[in-house]
Amino acid sequence: EVQLVESGGGLVQPGGSLRLSCAASGFSFSDHDMDWVRQAPGQGLEWVGRIKNKAYSYTTGYAASVKGRFTISREESNQSLYLQMNSLKSEDTAVYYCVRVGDSGYLDYWGQGILVTVSS
Amino acid sequence: DIQLTQSPSFLSPSVGDRVTITCRASQGINSYLAWYQQKPGKAPKLLIYAASTLQSGVPSRFSGIRSGTEFTLTISSLQPEDFATYYCQQLQSYSLTFGGGTKVEIK
Repeated sequence: EVQLVESGGGLVQPGGSLRLSCAASGFSFSDHDMDWVRQAPGQGLEWVGRIKNKAYSYTTGYAASVKGRFTISREESNQSLYLQMNSLKSEDTAVYYCVRVGDSGYLDYWGQGILVTVSS
Repeated sequence: DIQLTQSPSFLSPSVGDRVTITCRASQGINSYLAWYQQKPGKAPKLLIYAASTLQSGVPSRFSGIRSGTEFTLTISSLQPEDFATYYCQQLQSYSLTFGGGTKVEIK
């Protein structure tokens, strides 16, 4: 069974940093691109970014709203995905989802989400 | 970025009704479109990809179709468990975008 479990969320002050983790299991992690998607309270879904698999040299891509502040990385040995968030703003407050990109290219498995609150 | 406009933003049908949700893309995206269902407090779930392909395990009452840059999600006979918010999403461009969502509430 595919499982994605996020951790590391919480309350952080504006301008601060936070690192989210996602533990993956139940599938061949190294074969899949992985995404982060977020959802502000009461709002819709926003794609944050992607890290491709080893075959594509772990290339990353980001939404314009987070580019230069957020960094996605992965560690194959322990099947983990990370989101390093720097220079956080109030508008980054959201539930962050770790998402697997399926063979079809679509987002086929999602974690339960973790809340990040940016507030003083 | 490619914009996706969903309509309507809110629906209040009854169980057994046929429900149709539309998603219009701001430019051509071929058939690179998916539909997701999200229930309150839960993660989204992939229903349909490539405009019309049903994800494994999704009931056949869900269907999708493309006409140019207009995409439609249809639920043929709404069931109680289908009350949720539905989102479309494109992957024509590397910067993925989602539609604004359609909330389907019980009448």
